[in-house]
Amino acid sequence: AQSVSQHNHHVILSEAASLELGCNYSYGGTVNLFWYVQYPGQHLQLLLKYFSGDPLVKGIKGFEAEFIKSKFSFNLRKPSVQWSDTAEYFCAVLRNSGYALNFGKGTSLLVTP
Amino acid sequence: DADVTQTPRNRITKTGKRIMLECSQTKGHDRMYWYRQDPGLGLRLIYYSFDVKDINKGEISDGYSVSRQAQAKFSLSLESAIPNQTALYFCATGAPRAQFFGPGTRLTVL
Repeated sequence: AQSVSQHNHHVILSEAASLELGCNYSYGGTVNLFWYVQYPGQHLQLLLKYFSGDPLVKGIKGFEAEFIKSKFSFNLRKPSVQWSDTAEYFCAVLRNSGYALNFGKGTSLLVTP
Repeated sequence: DADVTQTPRNRITKTGKRIMLECSQTKGHDRMYWYRQDPGLGLRLIYYSFDVKDINKGEISDGYSVSRQAQAKFSLSLESAIPNQTALYFCATGAPRAQFFGPGTRLTVL
C-alpha cells in the first residue's frame, strides 16, 4: 500500500488562484516531512520541510505547509499562484528509523495565465 | 544542483544491452542514492549506499546493480535493459533530512 498519498494527481489553476495540495502518510511515530518541486526539465528542489516545533512551516517562493499530526497530513498551500509555479510537486516522508525518503506519486500543477 | 552530476543526461538503448549511469558529487557526502521516476508513480528507491563499503537494496532493485567506486562516485548498471526500465533516473546525496538531487538521466529502452 502507498504510504505517502497525494490526493490530487493533476491540478489546473488560473494565476492568482489559491493552491492547496494534499498529502497524507500512514506511518506511526515520529516523522520528518518534506515538499519538493520539480520544474519542467529540472531536478528536484526542496520547497520546505518540517522536523519539529511550529506545525506551520514556510518555504521558498511563498509556499507554506501545515503539519496536522492527528490527521497524518502535511498539506501544501500558496495564497496566489503564478504561471512560474507550473511544476510537479512531491510530498516525502522520512520515518524516525528510516534510511531514505518515501515519496508520494506527485501532483502535476498547471497554472494558466 | 551543480554539486551532483549525472552522466549521461539522455540515453537511448536497445533491449538486452548493458548500460551504466554514473553519478558524481563534490559535497563530500557519505550517503548516496539512486531513484527512478515514472509518471504517476513518484520516485522509488533503487539502491542506497551509506559509505563505500555499505550498499543496500531499495524497494525496486531487481534488474539493477550498483558500484560505489569512491566516496564521490556511485554508478547504476542495468545488466540487460528491458523496455519497462524506461524512466528518469535520479542520483541523490546526503542524509535524508538534507538531500541533494542530481539533474537526472532520461533513459529509453527500445
